[in-house]
Amino acid sequence: AQKVTQAQTEISVVEKEDVTLDCVYETRDTTYYLFWYKQPPSGELVFLIRRNSFDEQNEISGRYSWNFQKSTSSFNFTITASQVVDSAVYFCALEGETSGSRLTFGEGTQLTVNP
Amino acid sequence: EAGVAQSPRYKIIEKRQSVAFWCNPISGHATLYWYQQILGQGPKLLIQFQNNGVVDDSQLPKDRFSAERLKGVDSTLKIQPAKLEDSAVYLCASSLGPSYPADTQYFGPGTRLTVL
Repeated sequence: AQKVTQAQTEISVVEKEDVTLDCVYETRDTTYYLFWYKQPPSGELVFLIRRNSFDEQNEISGRYSWNFQKSTSSFNFTITASQVVDSAVYFCALEGETSGSRLTFGEGTQLTVNP
Repeated sequence: EAGVAQSPRYKIIEKRQSVAFWCNPISGHATLYWYQQILGQGPKLLIQFQNNGVVDDSQLPKDRFSAERLKGVDSTLKIQPAKLEDSAVYLCASSLGPSYPADTQYFGPGTRLTVL
């Protein structure tokens, strides 16, 4: 069975603060993919990143960065210098080799960035 | 490139009524998914199509939910009869790949269903 846990239900920060969203996963698969999606108030899930289990290099894209650590089964997401437009629900998801292409999502973290 | 299209965006019905949702995937995407997202939760896969064949419908409540993708392009999800607990956002997604490791799934704006 696969499971994704996002322990932070809600986070509130002030603009320009850095914020880290935690994601912990469980899987028995050796090969798997991890994802982050953003869901703004409009409702559409916006793809942010996809990472395979053999690539533990951290990734940076503008103000976004991701830290993948297999030893702790975590795939955390950091937003640097947060902006009001970053306010959304963020989902971490897992796709394992034994689940076909079914995505298992976490419960999401509601991020509110206040001006 | 046009994204995944869904309609309607909102629907309010009485319990025991029927409802249908429509999805048009990104052009050229062979795989189409329907997810149910209950308020405060992550999306849960209901059914996955590859072209016009069903790949995974293990989590679809088949006594009341049905879906089809007759020509391998757009798809319809139906609920008949609806229950109060079906109130949720129904998300459609599509991807290029046929199976694991599938290409990234891209999502539509969803249909928000309220059952009264």
